[in-house]
Amino acid sequence: GQQVMQIPQYQHVQEGEDFTTYCNSSTTLSNIQWYKQRPGGHPVFLIQLVKSGEVKKQKRLTFQFGEAKKNSSLHITATQTTDVGTYFCAGLGNQFYFGTGTSLTVIP
Amino acid sequence: DTAVSQTPKYLVTQMGNDKSIKCEQNLGHDTMYWYKQDSKKFLKIMFSYNNKELIINETVPNRFSPKSPDKAHLNLHINSLELGDSAVYFCASSQGTGRSLLANYGYTFGSGTRLTVV
Repeated sequence: GQQVMQIPQYQHVQEGEDFTTYCNSSTTLSNIQWYKQRPGGHPVFLIQLVKSGEVKKQKRLTFQFGEAKKNSSLHITATQTTDVGTYFCAGLGNQFYFGTGTSLTVIP
Repeated sequence: DTAVSQTPKYLVTQMGNDKSIKCEQNLGHDTMYWYKQDSKKFLKIMFSYNNKELIINETVPNRFSPKSPDKAHLNLHINSLELGDSAVYFCASSQGTGRSLLANYGYTFGSGTRLTVV
């Protein structure tokens, strides 16, 4: 069945360092969405990408959808303590699946 | 406030009990979902309803029974609770269905119900 894996599972960074999480699907996706879940909170929708090779930016966050529409990445420049949380990708293949998540810890 | 609201936020109960979690959305969305998040934070879909009709029913024990009296409500009833049912349960809604590009508008999640079975 369709699987959406994310790496790394955990990432600790010093405040000010960059962070990247990678999302890989076993099947081609029609779209990719990214969510952020703060500790103790619920997933919150960040953005959606639909086109092959699409890149979108939100302030310090850069989202990319792969050319083959089977992978995506989220890059955060100069992390801040407010970036702490788990980042999930989610994509529509034969069904809509959430990725396994990357938990980000930012050390002040 | 426009939102997805679910109650209760915390639920501690003994094995074998029956419990319900309620969910309501006032966003006018057509589709509602129940997700289970385990201790490793994996988000797994359990059910999806579109306009009160069940459209997704993943491999979930039949002790779990969703009920949607109208498109703004999706409740989850759990019979004979087991230790392995302990998790955080999230209700969510979206503009389209989970199997169409109309889900492109993103899911709005409720704040979650932390279920602990002792």
